[in-house]
Amino acid sequence: DIQMTQSPSSLSASVGDRVTITCRASQNINNYLNWYQQRPGEAPNLLIYAASSLHSGVPSRFSGSGSGTDFTLTFSSLQPEDFATYYCQQTYRTPWTFGQGTKVEIK
Amino acid sequence: EVQLVESGGGLEQPGGSLRLSCAASGFTFNYYSMNWVRQAPGKGLEWVSYISSTSSTIYYADSVKGRFTISRDNAKNSLYLQMNSLRDEDTAVYYCARYGSGIGSFDYWGQGTLVTVSS
Repeated sequence: DIQMTQSPSSLSASVGDRVTITCRASQNINNYLNWYQQRPGEAPNLLIYAASSLHSGVPSRFSGSGSGTDFTLTFSSLQPEDFATYYCQQTYRTPWTFGQGTKVEIK
Repeated sequence: EVQLVESGGGLEQPGGSLRLSCAASGFTFNYYSMNWVRQAPGKGLEWVSYISSTSSTIYYADSVKGRFTISRDNAKNSLYLQMNSLRDEDTAVYYCARYGSGIGSFDYWGQGTLVTVSS
């Protein structure tokens, strides 16, 4: 199975901060990498697909980059509604696997 | 508007069975592949199963293979997950999620249904 490792597992940041989350795959997954946001008590929502494409309706302050094994999710300016847990996911090969999540908390 | 609504969760004893349903609306259901994803309490996301638009291709996670069966009824715009031989570790919120076109992502999710396996 392809292992997905996110770092950090959690972070504290302030509104307006620029924040980057990293996701590393245990083998090459080309750009078959997605990012999801999950607020407490809610279902996940797709943010980024194919490593860098913004899903419909997602604010442009979110961006994704990377290819191969190393990927990043960046918030250009953190907003109050962005405090949530973020997951990366590979869909290169089944079983499709998720990272363990990164919890973004208010400083 | 794309909507996915899960139902069928509840409390079941170890070794028992449950059947989850996911009602889809707001899109042409028979054009899209679908998935089940689960999340144990306080834990991360785990992909469970996939079914293609015509049911010709099905995948399972090893953790549920041989116990769970995914199916769909395109005439009823519905997705199902038959869960047999339930174990304590199957306790989770179960989400249905649409498999988006293109490179493949889970582009829309339902609100989830809670399955609790306990004696």
